[in-house]
Amino acid sequence: AQSVTQLDSQVPVFEEAPVELRCNYSSSVSVYLFWYVQYPNQGLQLLLKYLSGSTLVESINGFEAEFNKSQTSFHLRKPSVHISDTAEYFCAVREWGSGGYQKVTFGIGTKLQVIP
Amino acid sequence: NAGVTQTPKFQVLKTGQSMTLQCAQDMNHNSMYWYRQDPGMGLRLIYYSASEGTTDKGEVPNGYNVSRLNKREFSLRLESAAPSQTSVYFCASSGLGQGTNYGYTFGSGTRLTVV
Repeated sequence: AQSVTQLDSQVPVFEEAPVELRCNYSSSVSVYLFWYVQYPNQGLQLLLKYLSGSTLVESINGFEAEFNKSQTSFHLRKPSVHISDTAEYFCAVREWGSGGYQKVTFGIGTKLQVIP
Repeated sequence: NAGVTQTPKFQVLKTGQSMTLQCAQDMNHNSMYWYRQDPGMGLRLIYYSASEGTTDKGEVPNGYNVSRLNKREFSLRLESAAPSQTSVYFCASSGLGQGTNYGYTFGSGTRLTVV
């Protein structure tokens, strides 16, 4: 069975400071990895994903995450946060499959609070 | 706009009442899901439908039923609502292969309060 651990439930950070949101996973097979973002009173939106290839993936709004297979981690980083980044962030893992249904497991979320 | 549409957005029920949450997607995805989100507990899977014509229980199915009406639509029914079902409910869909992003697309949610 796969699992996802987000070590921090809340992360306060000052505007323009760097941030790292941690995510570790466990799985017996190869996986796809995702970060989702949820703004207040909205649904989850896909922020970025790792499927294969380069282990460093980036989003259009400056976030990046690096897949580290040896440490089974997929931490999310941003060098300089903005007020608009205040949201809850969910890490998720999906096992590879040849086709058909593959369940996604979500972490419990990390609330990022950007302080002016 | 393409995506997942949920109705209603808000609902207040009395204990014992029934209701159906509707979900439709227009991305030709095979799989659809119902989650509930509660503070400090993340997302918990209620039911899912891997493909049209199939449904399966998730982590927290008790008190709920689902219907995969066709490839586009997946509804969630509460037969006799209880205060413990007060939550935010999200529908999601996913596909595999070229043309999909391998992730989930979520609806905007239904805020349900049972009094």
